[in-house]
Amino acid sequence: GAVVSQHPSWVICKSGTSVKIECRSLDFQATTMFWYRQFPKQSLMLMATSNEGSKATYEQGVEKDKFLINHASLTLSTLTVTSAHPEDSSFYICSASSPETQYFGPGTRLLVL
Amino acid sequence: KQEVTQIPAALSVPEGENLVLNCSFTDSAIYNLQWFRQDPGKGLTSLLLIQSSQREQTSGRLNASLDKSSGRSTLYIAASQPGDSATYLCAVLPLEGAQKLVFGQGTRLTINP
Repeated sequence: GAVVSQHPSWVICKSGTSVKIECRSLDFQATTMFWYRQFPKQSLMLMATSNEGSKATYEQGVEKDKFLINHASLTLSTLTVTSAHPEDSSFYICSASSPETQYFGPGTRLLVL
Repeated sequence: KQEVTQIPAALSVPEGENLVLNCSFTDSAIYNLQWFRQDPGKGLTSLLLIQSSQREQTSGRLNASLDKSSGRSTLYIAASQPGDSATYLCAVLPLEGAQKLVFGQGTRLTINP
């Protein structure tokens, strides 16, 4: 199957700083990528749809100015958590879309102190 | 709005038993249904994908069925092993919804040696 990578795999930062997470599709091109967050013992919650060459579309309740998404190429989408706070600590997972399914990255664990 | 429910939320069984995980969805207008496995702190691994026109898919000791008209799917695991311990997620891809998967809450499975 297709491979999706995320970098970094984990990050610890101080409150108020910004953190960038990269999502790459390694062996296929994806015009659409998705960003999810997952709290402990809960399912995935879709945050936004990242569209190559256009603005991301955000789910209801997700602050677009706080979670900046850039999809500059067919193989790379980035999520920047701006002015991170402890409540932003979570597991962030991206996926890259093919016509029939999504291929998921390994996730990035963010801890904001 | 499509909703996906998984029962039970958690399951613990002795090694060697056969078991069934259940998934139900409210809207039968789906493109496909997929079962994923998630290990703690990891991303999602796709196990089986069933197209809406299919009734079941098999991979090794796993068998997934789909009854689209009744909005149900089951994941059957034969001869369970401790390595099968993980969270199992069911997700549907609606016909309408811009390729957004809709996830259930998952079933946390523990196989006891």
